[in-house]
Amino acid sequence: GQNIDQPTEMTATEGAIVQINCTYQTSGFNGLFWYQQHAGEAPTFLSYNVLDGLEEKGRFSSFLSRSKGYSYLLLKELQMKDSASYLCAVGDNQGGKLIFGQGTELSVKP
Amino acid sequence: KAGVTQTPRYLIKTRGQQVTLSCSPISGHRSVSWYQQTPGQGLQFLFEYFSETQRNKGNFPGRFSGRQFSNSRSEMNVSTLELGDSALYLCASSLSPGMGAKNIQYFGAGTRLSVL
Repeated sequence: GQNIDQPTEMTATEGAIVQINCTYQTSGFNGLFWYQQHAGEAPTFLSYNVLDGLEEKGRFSSFLSRSKGYSYLLLKELQMKDSASYLCAVGDNQGGKLIFGQGTELSVKP
Repeated sequence: KAGVTQTPRYLIKTRGQQVTLSCSPISGHRSVSWYQQTPGQGLQFLFEYFSETQRNKGNFPGRFSGRQFSNSRSEMNVSTLELGDSALYLCASSLSPGMGAKNIQYFGAGTRLSVL
């Protein structure tokens, strides 16, 4: 089966660091994606990992361990505008199909 | 460069009706995928189109269909609407089918469908 787990909600303080975890068990694997979605808006692409290790992009970093079926998204120097839903998705072996987790609703407090 | 454009943004229909949603991909993108987003199920894959051909289909009933035109624009259709079809329907485009760093899917803002 296909299963992607991530926490439903997280709260963090402005200026702090937060780590959003994602574990997956899927029949195929063709990359791990993170998207950010503000309420009422389109999901926007944040990061893509296909090999083990850490990918850094500004304030955002993403880590992947394929042997453990585990990824995390690290957000540094949190800003109020980072309050959003963060979606973890696995690329299926079948073409362009993305399998999404339920999303983690992050609230950044002053 | 314009992003993915979906029309209409909001739609209200009644049970039994049918609906057609439209998606214009980013210029140069030839692959279009559709997803349904609901609070209970999250984002679920509907289908993927490339070169006017459906390449992949998710686990949805036959009432859900789609097509792609020669200019890569895509439409999806839902016939005999049910209350449970109320959702945000998202379209994503990419350069070509498959996965990879050069094939990221970029999403439109979606069409919010309410079935009464």
